[in-house]
Amino acid sequence: DTGVSQNPRHKITKRGQNVTFRCDPISEHNRLYWYRQTLGQGPEFLTYFQNEAQLEKSRLLSDRFSAERPKGSFSTLEIQRTEQGDSAMYLCASSFGPTWDSKNIQYFGAGTRLSVL
Amino acid sequence: KNEVEQSPQNLTAQEGEFITINCSYSVGISALHWLQQHPGGGIVSLFMLSSGKKKHGRLIATINIQEKHSSLHITASHPRDSAVYICAVSVGQDSGGSNYKLTFGKGTLLTVNP
Repeated sequence: DTGVSQNPRHKITKRGQNVTFRCDPISEHNRLYWYRQTLGQGPEFLTYFQNEAQLEKSRLLSDRFSAERPKGSFSTLEIQRTEQGDSAMYLCASSFGPTWDSKNIQYFGAGTRLSVL
Repeated sequence: KNEVEQSPQNLTAQEGEFITINCSYSVGISALHWLQQHPGGGIVSLFMLSSGKKKHGRLIATINIQEKHSSLHITASHPRDSAVYICAVSVGQDSGGSNYKLTFGKGTLLTVNP
């Protein structure tokens, strides 16, 4: 088990371009979460999946953002027509679910740092 | 007002000191989490608790549900403990009955000097 993997680690793009990030969760985890973290702030929830179903989307996730988890394994987060305000660290996490016990702990990837110029 | 408030925002200590980081929250929760984030982004979950106290090595986490308050303690602090410590809460449960999305505090930057 190699943990949660995110690619790329860093992405620099020009305003208006589209970007796509990938997250590979821990293989036996059926829950996958996306968070966004700006400098000096804690992460903010964006969306989460149970298997391939997207169960909740934050109001932070504008219509320029889309996330998929087509086969219930890896997930992609796409941002269309990027804006400078999209510059942030995008974090992916995975966990077992549904369960009440400690198996629900979320395991985080190292994140993808996006810089929009 | 953020639902999760941490104090202090920054903390500098000398090696060996006893460290306390506090977290207060304003909503009913399913569970409270303490996480550690090192420079470069990686976040590691330290504790998930819904009552009482948990201990792992030199780390101790406590929670008082009635007072909506939790503390993270580090005994015999070491420079390798330097990191951002983040408090997060699960504020609801989904249809599956489990904790899910986390609401985070802004974090406490801890620097332990040798």
